[in-house]
Amino acid sequence: ILNVEQSPQSLHVQEGDSTNFTCSFPSSNFYALHWYRWETAKSPEALFVMTLNGDEKKKGRISATLNTKEGYSYLYIKGSQPEDSATYLCAFIAGGGADGLTFGKGTHLIIQP
Amino acid sequence: DTGVSQDPRHKITKRGQNVTFRCDPISEHNRLYWYRQTLGQGPEFLTYFQNEAQLEKSRLLSDRFSAERPKGSFSTLEIQRTEQGDSAMYLCASSLPVAGGHYNEQFFGPGTRLTVL
Repeated sequence: ILNVEQSPQSLHVQEGDSTNFTCSFPSSNFYALHWYRWETAKSPEALFVMTLNGDEKKKGRISATLNTKEGYSYLYIKGSQPEDSATYLCAFIAGGGADGLTFGKGTHLIIQP
Repeated sequence: DTGVSQDPRHKITKRGQNVTFRCDPISEHNRLYWYRQTLGQGPEFLTYFQNEAQLEKSRLLSDRFSAERPKGSFSTLEIQRTEQGDSAMYLCASSLPVAGGHYNEQFFGPGTRLTVL
């Protein structure tokens, strides 16, 4: 059974502040790590696909890093805006990559104006 | 809209009834996945198809659950004799072949929210 942990479970951040959260995953048999943003009543939206140790990816004010040797990834949001409020999920894929994603429980982010 | 669609968005049923959900993937995606998300948990993998072949089933998929993808396009997930524990969000996702270097990036539908009374 693969264990994917996310912390914190929930987070309240003041508008304009920066924040980050963590995803930890098995450090062996790594194939890829995905980050998703899931807003209420919408489809989970893919943010990043992380594949190589040391990867850093950026999309606007959101960025992510990957350490496959120690089994963790960080997601950073710079200058939080109310529209960033969502649940952020990470998902791990092992081995050949064809199987289903193993998700963490998510970090529920609330941006307070 | 060329994204993944799911129908219905919400379903309320009484315990013991059968329910069926439908998923229409992105047209060029040959892989289709079903997940279930219960309160306080992340989505949990149920099963996946490559074209019409069902290649893997999670131990979460009890005998009351059956999934089909008869023509390799849309898929259905049926739950027979529903129980209150089946109440959850059922998500469908699709992806391109892994060999194409897409690293199994999956595109999700909005889900079907099932409530069993």
